[in-house]
Amino acid sequence: QVQLQESGPGLVKPSGTLSLTCAVSGGSISSSNWWSWIRQPPGKGLEWIGEIYHSGSTNYNPSLKSRVTISVDKSKNQFSLKLSSVTAADTAVYYCARSRRGGNSGWFDPWGQGTLVTVSS
Amino acid sequence: SYVLTQPPSVSVAPGKTARITCGGNNIGSKSVHWYQQKPGQAPVLVIYYDSDRPSGIPERFSGSNSGNTATLTISRVEAGDEADYYCQVWDSSSDHPGVVFGGGTKLTVL
Repeated sequence: QVQLQESGPGLVKPSGTLSLTCAVSGGSISSSNWWSWIRQPPGKGLEWIGEIYHSGSTNYNPSLKSRVTISVDKSKNQFSLKLSSVTAADTAVYYCARSRRGGNSGWFDPWGQGTLVTVSS
Repeated sequence: SYVLTQPPSVSVAPGKTARITCGGNNIGSKSVHWYQQKPGQAPVLVIYYDSDRPSGIPERFSGSNSGNTATLTISRVEAGDEADYYCQVWDSSSDHPGVVFGGGTKLTVL
């Protein structure tokens, strides 16, 4: 079955750019699915960041849109997240997940294990 | 933007039934999905499309959705069900469609 694994630096300096990659295994990123990034600040709830389709089409959370770029690399079966101008408020566990769609809705299954990114100097 | 409201905590004795609510304006017109998150772990989908269970999820987990409230019901609660639970919808009603999560409910098994 499909499995996802996040990777990237665990520490980013304020005002810098957070960069993460999600490797997809057990299935093709070019299948009929969207692929999402979701984050969770320590002790808090879940926040959707955005999603991408293998064609390159994207949807972003309006509250983060100006700072977010999600891209896909079909040759490597992976997709990536870049979040610019980070502050301490961007410290969180970052998850990647497959977005399942049906009708006018969508849900996430499965999820990667998550990776903690801390913004600090 | 669309808002989902969950109670911060629910407590239940083992063997009893837990009900976790998710409130939203006319949420019954949307499809609601539920996730279980245990400490230090990634969320796991337990209910999608209001009441469908993914393979591997026990029948003790069920869902319903009507009016302004969706409900996740866990029957015959076990100690292993202690976790945070999140509801989620896809909001296509605004100019910027996207995902909305509830604030989460901590289920404590007494």
